Amino acid sequence: AQTVTQSQPEMSVQEAETVTLSCTYDTSESDYYLFWYKQPPSRQMILVIRQEAYKQQNATENRFSVNFQKAAKSFSLKISDSQLGDAAMYFCAYSRSQGNLIFGKGTKLSVKP
Amino acid sequence: GAGVSQSPRYKVAKRGQDVALRCDPISGHVSLFWYQQALGQGPEFLTYFQNEAQLDKSGLPSDRFFAERPEGSVSTLKIQRTQQEDSAVYLCASSLFSRGGPQHFGDGTRLSIL
Repeated sequence: AQTVTQSQPEMSVQEAETVTLSCTYDTSESDYYLFWYKQPPSRQMILVIRQEAYKQQNATENRFSVNFQKAAKSFSLKISDSQLGDAAMYFCAYSRSQGNLIFGKGTKLSVKP
Repeated sequence: GAGVSQSPRYKVAKRGQDVALRCDPISGHVSLFWYQQALGQGPEFLTYFQNEAQLDKSGLPSDRFFAERPEGSVSTLKIQRTQQEDSAVYLCASSLFSRGGPQHFGDGTRLSIL
């Protein structure tokens, strides 16, 4: 069975600094998708970034980028120039061919002014 | 509407009552997913629809849970004879594609069983 592990329950970053959130996953499949979702206290899951496993190039979305290491089954999220609005729970998720997401337990990110 | 809409936002029920949670996906989205999120945990998959067909219900925790999407749009998650362990946030998500596409989530329904 596929699993997603986020080893950092909580992280803290100073405003304007850079932070990296870790994620590892376990799968025997070669074709899959990886995601980072942000969940503020309002509860709505917001897609941050998406990576297709067959693409070697790391995905980027403005201040958000990933380091995708397929052989190591690692998918970390880097947030540059952190802003107060980045404070939230961050979930790493894996999706196989059918499409349902398998989530990690999440990392709570705090941003200090 | 512009996004996925879920109702009610909060639901309180007594143990043993039946509840129904509604999800209105983004118009035209083929795929619809239900997830259960316990406090302090990541969401866990419950069931998946492609249009009106329920293709996967392997995540439903018991036969007390039932989901439907009769016309391929609005979906309802029904829980019969609720128990305290059913207390959680129930999230609905829809996707334009049948596989691999980004999922757009609603605000969820927080269910509390007394």
